[in-house]
Amino acid sequence: DGGITQSPKYLFRKEGQNVTLSCEQNLNHDAMYWYRQDPGQGLRLIYYSQIVNDFQKGDIAEGYSVSREKKESFPLTVTSAQKNPTAFYLCASSNLISNQPQHFGDGTRLSIL
Amino acid sequence: DAKTTQPNSMESNEEEPVHLPCNHSTISGTDYIHWYRQLPSQGPEYVIHGLTSNVNNRMASLAIAEDRKSSTLILHRATLRDAAVYYCILIYGGSQGNLIFGKGTKLSVKP
Repeated sequence: DGGITQSPKYLFRKEGQNVTLSCEQNLNHDAMYWYRQDPGQGLRLIYYSQIVNDFQKGDIAEGYSVSREKKESFPLTVTSAQKNPTAFYLCASSNLISNQPQHFGDGTRLSIL
Repeated sequence: DAKTTQPNSMESNEEEPVHLPCNHSTISGTDYIHWYRQLPSQGPEYVIHGLTSNVNNRMASLAIAEDRKSSTLILHRATLRDAAVYYCILIYGGSQGNLIFGKGTKLSVKP
C-alpha cells in the first residue's frame, strides 16, 4: 500500500550527539515536510521541500538539518545544537497542487538519555 | 498570518451528531479551510477541506459561513473511533509549506 514510513518509532539520544530520523514515501509526492509536536501542542513546521535538492526552513529550523537527494526520501538530522530535542517528530508529503491534503507518517518519538 | 480559534475540548455521545466549530475572522479570499484529526501517538489524518461552499465526503461534512469567518466540521454519527484532536487549518499563499496547526479541539465520545 502507498504511504509514508518513518523510522525508528522510538529513538534515544545522548547529550551532544546527532541523530537522523528517516522518512520515506511511495506516493510519488513532490513535496515533503517535517513537523515537531510537543505534549498537548499542535504541530510546528521545521523544514519542507518541494523538489529534489531543494528545501526551505520552517518556523523552528534552528538545530535541525535536512537533505532531499531522492524524491522518496527526506531525512531529518537533529543536531547537538538543538538544546531541547525531546518531542514527537512527524513527516508528511503532498502533491504540489495547491490545497491537496498532506499525508502523515506515524511519527518518531525522540528522547534524551 | 491567518489564524484559527477552536474550543479546547468537546464531548459527545456515541451515535449522535457532533458539530466542531472553528473561527477564522482574518481569513483571506484565497485561503482554503482544511480539517485534520489526530489520534494519540499517531500522525494527523486529513478529514475534509473547502473554500466557500459546503462540502461532504465519507468521513464528514464541512459547513462554511457565508462570510467565511467561521466553519463547522460535522460528524453525522459519532463513534468511539472518532475520539481525537481535530485541527482546523487555513492554507494561504498557495503554498503547502505554510500549514499552521493550533492546539485543536479534543473530542471525547462517550458510549
